Amino acid sequence: GQQLNQSPQSMFIQEGEDVSMNCTSSSIFNTWLWYKQDPGEGPVLLIALYKAGELTSNGRLTAQFGITRKDSFLNISASIPSDVGIYFCAGQVGGGADGLTFGKGTHLIIQP
Amino acid sequence: SAVISQKPSRDICQRGTSLTIQCQVDSQVTMMFWYRQQPGQSLTLIATANQGSEATYESGFVIDKFPISRPNLTFSTLTVSNMSPEDSSIYLCSVTGQSTDTQYFGPGTRLTVL
Repeated sequence: GQQLNQSPQSMFIQEGEDVSMNCTSSSIFNTWLWYKQDPGEGPVLLIALYKAGELTSNGRLTAQFGITRKDSFLNISASIPSDVGIYFCAGQVGGGADGLTFGKGTHLIIQP
Repeated sequence: SAVISQKPSRDICQRGTSLTIQCQVDSQVTMMFWYRQQPGQSLTLIATANQGSEATYESGFVIDKFPISRPNLTFSTLTVSNMSPEDSSIYLCSVTGQSTDTQYFGPGTRLTVL
């Protein structure tokens, strides 16, 4: 089946630093999504990308849909303590009728 | 986005028993999905819950183990049957609204099987 390779697996950063994580796939996805999951909660949507090459921002978050449709990255600028959590990329082959394929997640830890 | 609730939020069950998890949405949605998240792992799609017809299961998941119902556009259930400790996971439903293809997730049901 399809797999998403997400890296890094974990990040230990200082508050105020910028963060970058990415996902790659051997197959094409037509939608890329980024979610954040806090302990005991369901994933919360951060950014959705629908077009190859698309660059979208949501506050301090910026994500891009790779031109080959096989990758995406998420950047977080000027990290703050509430950014701590697990970030997942997810890809969707078709439209809304398709389920999502998830990456393994990036665990973000912010050191004071 | 739609407000999604799940019941129960958590449960501890004995092996060999079954648990039915409910997913309720506050507005009509087009698609409903069920995912499993094993401890410390990512999310894996179990099945698509189809309104008025049998669910569509992903490879590795079967109806006898995970029967699913979706009687209308706002409600679905997932049953975990004949449970074993390996079924200990978080089970999450997600929905796609009528005006968007984006999936939103419920808070999850944390299941522990002893």
